[in-house]
Amino acid sequence: DADVTQTPRNRITKTGKRIMLECSQTKGHDRMYWYRQDPGLGLRLIYYSFDVKDINKGEISDGYSVSRQAQAKFSLSLESAIPNQTALYFCATSDYTSGKETQYFGPGTRLLVL
Amino acid sequence: GNSVTQMEGPVTLSEEAFLTINCTYTATGYPSLFWYVQYPGEGLQLLLKATKADDKGSNKGFEATYRKETTSFHLEKGSVQVSDSAVYFCALSDPVSGGSYIPTFGRGTSLIVHP
Repeated sequence: DADVTQTPRNRITKTGKRIMLECSQTKGHDRMYWYRQDPGLGLRLIYYSFDVKDINKGEISDGYSVSRQAQAKFSLSLESAIPNQTALYFCATSDYTSGKETQYFGPGTRLLVL
Repeated sequence: GNSVTQMEGPVTLSEEAFLTINCTYTATGYPSLFWYVQYPGEGLQLLLKATKADDKGSNKGFEATYRKETTSFHLEKGSVQVSDSAVYFCALSDPVSGGSYIPTFGRGTSLIVHP
């Protein structure tokens, strides 16, 4: 079984809808991250969490919110989706103690906002 | 702030050719440096890393040396295969206040290897 899983893998939604992307991990890592990937722009950090009670904004947090329900679960919400949020979204985890922030990525969620 | 600059792709090579993908960085502290690879339809996975100056990371025939004097971490492979076709991301992890490490990624370089 995969260590970092994301659901759904693909999602089509309409402008103005609220949607949630979910991430679960079995690696036992404290740190979890949400990124979006756009062609030509690489990965951009949306939010990150160093433990259940520690949530931090990344470089592009506007229009997004997150919830860290447990050490193993980190959800990303789009409160009112807009077309320029169409992208590939990745969840990642890391364990600071194992080697300076090596990241472990999920398979991604491809989101299309119409 | 921190930044990572990679050569733009796509890089197109024939099988068994030599590969270099350039990566330079800007960081305020003493970062660790990484190369990640993303195969089609998959998430990123660590290819190799180096945590201090002059370290060489290596894996699957790929190598990169942490050059502090030129702030570079170029990825090389002596003989590429079709199966190496993927997108390669250079990244750094640099301590911010309080000792936490926040990663910064380059924009990625697509590699296409033809038989």
